[in-house]
Amino acid sequence: GAVVSQHPSRVICKSGTSVKIECRSLDFQATTMFWYRQFPKQSLMLMATSNEGSKATYEQGVEKDKFLINHASLTLSTLTVTSAHPEDSSFYICSARDLRGVKETQYFGPGTRLLVL
Amino acid sequence: GQNIDQPTEMTATEGAIVQINCTYQTSGFNGLFWYQQHAGEAPTFLSYNVLDGLEEKGRFSSFLSRSKGYSYLLLKELQMKDSASYLCAALDSNYQLIWGAGTKLIIKP
Repeated sequence: GAVVSQHPSRVICKSGTSVKIECRSLDFQATTMFWYRQFPKQSLMLMATSNEGSKATYEQGVEKDKFLINHASLTLSTLTVTSAHPEDSSFYICSARDLRGVKETQYFGPGTRLLVL
Repeated sequence: GQNIDQPTEMTATEGAIVQINCTYQTSGFNGLFWYQQHAGEAPTFLSYNVLDGLEEKGRFSSFLSRSKGYSYLLLKELQMKDSASYLCAALDSNYQLIWGAGTKLIIKP
């Protein structure tokens, strides 16, 4: 089956530093990937849609200069949290759209838990 | 507006059957997903329905009625490991997933 990986799985950083999270589709090409964040006991919140070779589309209220997204290849999208602050601590999850079959499917990465001190 | 409704929490007994309902209102519709999410983990794909009817996959089945804006996830022969949150998500006309808040399923021995 399709697999999406994320790296790192967990990161602790100091306030003011930047953190990069990678999302890779391992056995299929994904022209579209999505970045979500999830706070404890809450549902997923879409942050942005990442399209290969073009600028990401950000959801309302998400600062594009703070959450930099790059989708440079068909198998890799990166999310960089710039100048991280404690309120950015959250569970960040990516998903990749799989259009190979008759039915569209989205597969999620395992998530990255970010803690900003 | 776009909206997904599903119960917040359900409790069932090991070995029994449970049905988790989901109603949706979206601008356009391109299918409905069910995901399972264990605490502290990312969601895992369970099913995708785009046509009316029931699709069975082992102990799990998913049903869709497009005319009613309604879906359910049916879990049979419940096991303790099925304790998790079950997320319903509809794909709108822009192929964006609209997420429900999730149903926390508690399985008791």
